[in-house]
Amino acid sequence: DIVMTQTPLSSPVTLGQPASISCRSSQSLVHRDGNTYLSWLQQRPGQPPRLLIYKISNRFSGVPDRFSGSGAGTDFTLKISRVEAEDVGVYYCMQSTQFPWTFGQGTKVEIK
Amino acid sequence: EVQLVESGGGLVKPGGSLRLSCAASGFTFSNAWMSWVRQTPGKGLEWVGRIKSRTDGGTTDYALPVKGRFTISRDDSKNTLYLQMNSLKTEDTALYYCTTDDYYDRSGYHPGWVYWGQGTLVTVSS
Repeated sequence: DIVMTQTPLSSPVTLGQPASISCRSSQSLVHRDGNTYLSWLQQRPGQPPRLLIYKISNRFSGVPDRFSGSGAGTDFTLKISRVEAEDVGVYYCMQSTQFPWTFGQGTKVEIK
Repeated sequence: EVQLVESGGGLVKPGGSLRLSCAASGFTFSNAWMSWVRQTPGKGLEWVGRIKSRTDGGTTDYALPVKGRFTISRDDSKNTLYLQMNSLKTEDTALYYCTTDDYYDRSGYHPGWVYWGQGTLVTVSS
């Protein structure tokens, strides 16, 4: 199985300041079709996960542009340019390149 | 409005069975590839399995911990996804979500993990 490792596991951030989450996969996530199926999900307290970013850097419809994704191969990053109160929650990277699909452990973003 | 509504969870003894349902509305369910994902406080999010659309063969794939015990099926006439869980173990205790998987059709790529239900809780305990 591809292991997804996120750092940090907890990220206390001041409102209006940036936040960055790293995700590293144990194998390359480049699919044989040339795409990299790396997504970022946000889970607010008491809610199901919500798709933010797909295929590394594509922001899903309705997701604020303060969220951005980058990376390639085995190293990926989610950045929040200016954290807002509604961004509190747990963020997961996940891969759907190779079965079984796997998730990172989650990074808790909280306000200082 | 898109809705996924899971049901069928509950308390079951180890070795028992349960069938979960996921009623879909607001999108073309028959075209969608669907997954089940479960969540526990200790293990986070875990993918359980996926079913393709009937047009794409309707085939299924499973995570190793559930392979041979769980079966995913769909009834497109009812816009409903199912998860039949047999030989349940205590480690299957989790909140079970249905969600859309990513897939391609004639209109292009559809990213997965867009639509989620609220989940249904399965507790396996004696």
